[in-house]
Amino acid sequence: QQQVKQSPQSLIVQKGGIPIINCAYENTAFDYFPWYQQFPGKGPALLIAIRPDVSEKKEGRFTISFNKSAKQFSLHIMDSQPGDSATYFCAASKHSGNTPLVFGKGTRLSVIA
Amino acid sequence: DAGVIQSPRHEVTEMGQEVTLRCKPISGHNSLFWYRQTMMRGLELLIYFNNNVPIDDSGMPEDRFSAKMPNASFSTLKIQPSEPRDSAVYFCASSSPRSPTRETQYFGPGTRLLVL
Repeated sequence: QQQVKQSPQSLIVQKGGIPIINCAYENTAFDYFPWYQQFPGKGPALLIAIRPDVSEKKEGRFTISFNKSAKQFSLHIMDSQPGDSATYFCAASKHSGNTPLVFGKGTRLSVIA
Repeated sequence: DAGVIQSPRHEVTEMGQEVTLRCKPISGHNSLFWYRQTMMRGLELLIYFNNNVPIDDSGMPEDRFSAKMPNASFSTLKIQPSEPRDSAVYFCASSSPRSPTRETQYFGPGTRLLVL
C-alpha cells in the first residue's frame, strides 16, 4: 500500500519553464508535507514544506500548492535552471517533529538549456 | 555543524558476510531514522529511535537486520548474513523536536551497499 503517490516519474523541461510535480496522500492523519531534493550521490535535503492550515507556500522560486479536501499537493519550480536538475521527493508525516516520513517514489527532473 | 555523518560511504561485500553501517546524528538531535533507498521501492523507513529508544522497527525486512543506538551520538545498522537483495543505499537522518525547524529531518550522505 503506497501512502503517498507521486507523478510524473520523470520530467524534462526547457530552461525557464515551470515544472510541476504532483503528490496525493491517503492518510488524513498526515499534517506535515515536505519536499526533498536529491542530487546524485547525495542524501535528500529539505527544499520546502507546508502544513495543512495553508493552501500555498512560496520560498524563492519554489512553491507548494496544497489542497486538503482533495488530499493533494504539488511543487512548482519557477524559472527553472539546469542546476535544478535533480530527483524530487514529496513526503508526509504525522504530528510534529520526531515521526518518520513516508516518501513518494520520486520525480527525476532534467532542465535543459 | 558537521551534519549527519555516515560510514562507510561505500561497502562491497560477499553474500553471507556481516555488514555494519554507522551513523552519527547532528549534535543535540534526539530522533534518528534509518531509511533504505532502492530503485524499485524508493525511500523506505527501516527503524527509528527517539531518545535512543527504538520506537518502530516494522520496516526492518527480517531478522537479519538489527539496529542499535547505545548513546545519543551513535547508531549502527547491522545485516547478518547479508544477501544480494540487500544492495541499496542506506540513509541515516536526524531531527530535533526542540529546534525551530523541528519537523526537518537532516539526511546523511548515505552508505552505498553492494552485496555480491
